Amino acid sequence: EPEVTQTPSHQVTQMGQEVILRCVPISNHLYFYWYRQILGQKVEFLVSFYNNEISEKSEIFDDQFSVERPDGSNFTLKIRSTKLEDSAMYFCASSPTLAVISYNEQFFGPGTRLTVL
Amino acid sequence: GIQVEQSPPDLILQEGANSTLRCNFSDSVNNLQWFHQNPWGQLINLFYIPSGTKQNGRLSATTVATERYSLLYISSSQTTDSGVYFCAVDDKYSGGGADGLTFGKGTHLIIQP
Repeated sequence: EPEVTQTPSHQVTQMGQEVILRCVPISNHLYFYWYRQILGQKVEFLVSFYNNEISEKSEIFDDQFSVERPDGSNFTLKIRSTKLEDSAMYFCASSPTLAVISYNEQFFGPGTRLTVL
Repeated sequence: GIQVEQSPPDLILQEGANSTLRCNFSDSVNNLQWFHQNPWGQLINLFYIPSGTKQNGRLSATTVATERYSLLYISSSQTTDSGVYFCAVDDKYSGGGADGLTFGKGTHLIIQP
């Protein structure tokens, strides 16, 4: 069964460093998302992406964040200058085209645990 | 934005017991999903259920969209059912496109042997 994959599974970085989290969405999906979950808290939406541009973003997704689809398979989240409070689990998700009778179930990857020291 | 409330926040049961988890939401939705977050942190899709009733083995779910709530039923609980159960919704009037899901705070379920 197709699944969303994410790399790395764990990333440790120093405050102020740039990190890039990578995701490979399900191959026939067209909508991609990033979410984060601070330890012990609920999952929060960051950004959605369609047709090579941002579709929607939350207040959390400020100028230090960026997303990119550098090729036909990868979807990345870049954090330019990490802060201690960026420590969290980051989930990538994808969903099929909304053209299919408004079916837009989102499928999540296993997550990347980011620790900022 | 849309509000999602889940209850109870914590639930401890003996193996074999049945349970009902509730999700209330404050506005009309296009999408409602139930997830199980396992001890490794992975979010496992349980149901995509913006309306109606679905069953998958020992789990079933019902969403009454007109009354803005959804219920997740777990029957004959097993220790592997332990974890956090999240309800997440997509606001129907957020403008369309690739809408982000709004998650509830979850129900932390512990099944004791």
